[in-house]
Amino acid sequence: GAVVSQHPSWVICKSGTSVKIECRSLDFQATTMFWYRQFPKQSLMLMATSNEGSKATYEQGVEKDKFLINHASLTLSTLTVTSAHPEDSSFYICSARQSGSYNEQFFGPGTRLTVL
Amino acid sequence: AQSVTQLGSHVSVSEGALVLLRCNYSSSVPPYLFWYVQYPNQGLQLLLKYTSAATLVKGINGFEAEFKKSETSFHLTKPSAHMSDAAEYFCAVSDADSNYQLIWGAGTKLIIKP
Repeated sequence: GAVVSQHPSWVICKSGTSVKIECRSLDFQATTMFWYRQFPKQSLMLMATSNEGSKATYEQGVEKDKFLINHASLTLSTLTVTSAHPEDSSFYICSARQSGSYNEQFFGPGTRLTVL
Repeated sequence: AQSVTQLGSHVSVSEGALVLLRCNYSSSVPPYLFWYVQYPNQGLQLLLKYTSAATLVKGINGFEAEFKKSETSFHLTKPSAHMSDAAEYFCAVSDADSNYQLIWGAGTKLIIKP
C-alpha cells in the first residue's frame, strides 16, 4: 500500500513553455502533498506544501507564480512550471502524507525536467 | 531550528563488510526519525523509521538503526554490505516544531567495493 505515482517520469521542453507534473496517491487519501526539487548530488529542497482544497504554502525563495501548485482532490496534486527556462531543469519529487498521519511521507518516483 | 547532520558525504566499504552511516539531529521535542534510500534517477524509498516505540528499529534490506537520545543520533547499520546497497542515503527528522515537515540531511553516498 501507500503508493505515489508521478507523471511524466521525464520531460524535455523548450524554453518559454509550461510543463505540468502530476502527483497521485494511488491507494490512500492524502490531505497534504509536498513538492521537492533536487539538484544533482544534493539533498531534497522543499518547494511547497500543498493541502487539499486550499492554497499551497511556498518556501522562502520559491516563486509561486512560476511554480503553480493545485491540489484539487485528496489523491491528486499538480505542479506546473510556467515559462520554463534552462535553470528550471531539475529532478522534481512529490510526496504525500496520509490523512490523519503525521509521521510518514510516501514519495513518488520523481520527474526529470530538462529545459532546452 | 531543527537540523540533521550526516557525517561523511561518501562512505566506501567492501562487499560483506559492516555498513555504518551516521546521522545526528537537533530537536527540542520528541522527533520522528527516518532513513530513506535513493537509487540513481529514482524517488526515495523508506528504509526505516523511529516513531517513539522501540529504540532499535529494523528496516528493509537488512538495515537497522538505533535511536540514542543522549547522543541525539540515529545511525544506520547493516552487518554485511551487498553490491546492491550502493545508493544515496538520506536521514530526516520531523517533529511538532516543524509542523511535521521533513528536515533533511545532506545525504551520504554509499560505495561498495567488490
